[in-house]
Amino acid sequence: DIQMTQSPSTLSASVGDRVTITCRASQSISTWLAWYQQKPGKAPKLLIYKASSLESGVPSRFSGSGSGTEFTLTISSLQPDDFATYYCQQYNSYSRTFGQGTKVEIK
Amino acid sequence: EVQLLESGGGLVQPGGSLRLSCAASGFTFSSYAMSWVRQAPGKGPEWLSAISGTDGSTYYADSVKGRFTISRDNSKNRLTLQMNSLRAEDAAVYYCAKEGGSGPNSFDYWGQGTVVTVSS
Repeated sequence: DIQMTQSPSTLSASVGDRVTITCRASQSISTWLAWYQQKPGKAPKLLIYKASSLESGVPSRFSGSGSGTEFTLTISSLQPDDFATYYCQQYNSYSRTFGQGTKVEIK
Repeated sequence: EVQLLESGGGLVQPGGSLRLSCAASGFTFSSYAMSWVRQAPGKGPEWLSAISGTDGSTYYADSVKGRFTISRDNSKNRLTLQMNSLRAEDAAVYYCAKEGGSGPNSFDYWGQGTVVTVSS
């Protein structure tokens, strides 16, 4: 199975900061990668699909990049609503896998 | 509006069985792959199983292969997960999720989840 590793596990930041989260795949997954945001008690919400495509309705401050084995999620200017946990997920194979998550906390 | 509504969670003893259902609406159900994803307390999501939208092919994570069975009824817009031989480590919130296409894809819609507790 393809393993997904996110870094960092926790990130402390302030409103207005530029934030970058990294996700690495154990083997090439082309651009078959998604990013999700999850808040406590809620289901994950799709932000980015196919590595860099913004899901409808998601603010443009979110962006994704990368291909192969290394990917990034960037929040250009962190807003109060963005404090949450973020997960990457690969769908290159029929065995979809998630990263372990990155919690974005208030500094 | 796409809606996914899970049901069937509850308390079950180790070794027992449970059947989860997911009622789907607001999209052409038969055209999309569907998955079950669970999340244990304090952990990240774990994909469990998927069923394709076209030929009904099924796929499982190693952690549930041979114990869980996914199925779908396109005439009733319903997804099901039959869970047998349940273990303490199967306790989690179980979500059904719609995929963005007929095959492997991102999960563009999720249900609200149903809680499964495995305890004697």
